[in-house]
Amino acid sequence: GAVVSQHPSWVICKSGTSVKIECRSLDFQATTMFWYRQFPKQSLMLMATSNEGSKATYEQGVEKDKFLINHASLTLSTLTVTSAHPEDSSFYICSARDLRGPGDTEAFFGQGTRLTVV
Amino acid sequence: GQNIDQPTEMTATEGAIVQINCTYQTSGFNGLFWYQQHAGEAPTFLSYNVLDGLEEKGRFSSFLSRSKGYSYLLLKELQMKDSASYLCAVMDSNYQLIWGAGTKLIIKP
Repeated sequence: GAVVSQHPSWVICKSGTSVKIECRSLDFQATTMFWYRQFPKQSLMLMATSNEGSKATYEQGVEKDKFLINHASLTLSTLTVTSAHPEDSSFYICSARDLRGPGDTEAFFGQGTRLTVV
Repeated sequence: GQNIDQPTEMTATEGAIVQINCTYQTSGFNGLFWYQQHAGEAPTFLSYNVLDGLEEKGRFSSFLSRSKGYSYLLLKELQMKDSASYLCAVMDSNYQLIWGAGTKLIIKP
């Protein structure tokens, strides 16, 4: 299957600092990338959907000024958690799909990033 | 509204068979996915059904009935490593994935 690389796998940062998480599709062009967060023992919660070259669409309750998403190319999307606080500590996961044509519509997931804000 | 229901937790014995059910109500339907997720890891793809019937893939099979809004994931010859959460997700008419809360499967020796 296709490969999505997410970096870093884990990060610890101080409260008030910003953290950038990268999501790359390595062997296909991702027209659409999704960012999720997952708290322990809970399901994936969609934060935002980003289409290459356009602004991300945020889910209700997600602060777009706090969680900055950039999808400047067909192979890279970034999520920046600005002014992170301990409550932002979570598991962040990206997934990518190519929706331009027929074929597999499977969502390929990155490895996830464990963010701990201290 | 859109809704995906699956049991919160199930327990089964090593070597046995377990069936995890998923019912859904969504705006349109473009396929149903099953993912496996081990604690602390991202989900991994198991199966995709878009037509009614059973899809078999090794020890895992997935069934879909679109008229009933129902799917199940069947795991045979259970192994300890199958202990994980199993997520059911439906792709709606906008090609968005609607996720269930996941079923935690506990395998006992």
